[in-house]
Amino acid sequence: AQKVTQAQTEISVVEKEDVTLDCVYETRDTTYYLFWYKQPPSGELVFLIRRNSFDEQNEISGRYSWNFQKSTSSFNFTITASQVVDSAVYFCALSEAKAAGNKLTFGGGTRVLVKP
Amino acid sequence: DTAVSQTPKYLVTQMGNDKSIKCEQNLGHDTMYWYKQDSKKFLKIMFSYNNKELIINETVPNRFSPKSPDKAHLNLHINSLELGDSAVYFCASSQDPVDTQYQETQYFGPGTRLLVL
Repeated sequence: AQKVTQAQTEISVVEKEDVTLDCVYETRDTTYYLFWYKQPPSGELVFLIRRNSFDEQNEISGRYSWNFQKSTSSFNFTITASQVVDSAVYFCALSEAKAAGNKLTFGGGTRVLVKP
Repeated sequence: DTAVSQTPKYLVTQMGNDKSIKCEQNLGHDTMYWYKQDSKKFLKIMFSYNNKELIINETVPNRFSPKSPDKAHLNLHINSLELGDSAVYFCASSQDPVDTQYQETQYFGPGTRLLVL
């Protein structure tokens, strides 16, 4: 069975600080996909990144960066120079690769509060 | 030009009532999903349809019945609503992968906040 653990339930930082969100996953599949979604206070779920299990390159997109380490089954997310608009709940999710319609298994989410 | 839309956005109803939530996607995707987010923010898959066929049916009470009239729509009907059904219900859609070693991104609707009194 697949499982995603986000051990940090809430992180509070002051604006401009960096914040790293941990994500640890469990799966028996050799091919799988990892995702991060953002849920701002308005409630919608916003896709941030998708990474497949064969691509361990780190990725940077603006102030966001992701560190995928297969050896430790982790896919951590860092926000550099945080801003108030980054305040949200962030979800890590896992999906196996197969035919259409596979489910996402979500972690419990990490609430990030960025104070001005 | 909303990609995945849901109606209604808010739904307040009495215990025992029957209600429906509608979802539409204009992305041309082949697969649609329903997820439930409980009061602790935990998200869990309920159903998935691919080209109008049910392909995922998690352990969900029979009171919940999805219906897909065409591949752009996936509705969720709930009979005999209970207090525990209060949650946010998210619809999502994704394109079919080009092969079985690939997985497309799921895009979510804005959610429907259901409150059962």
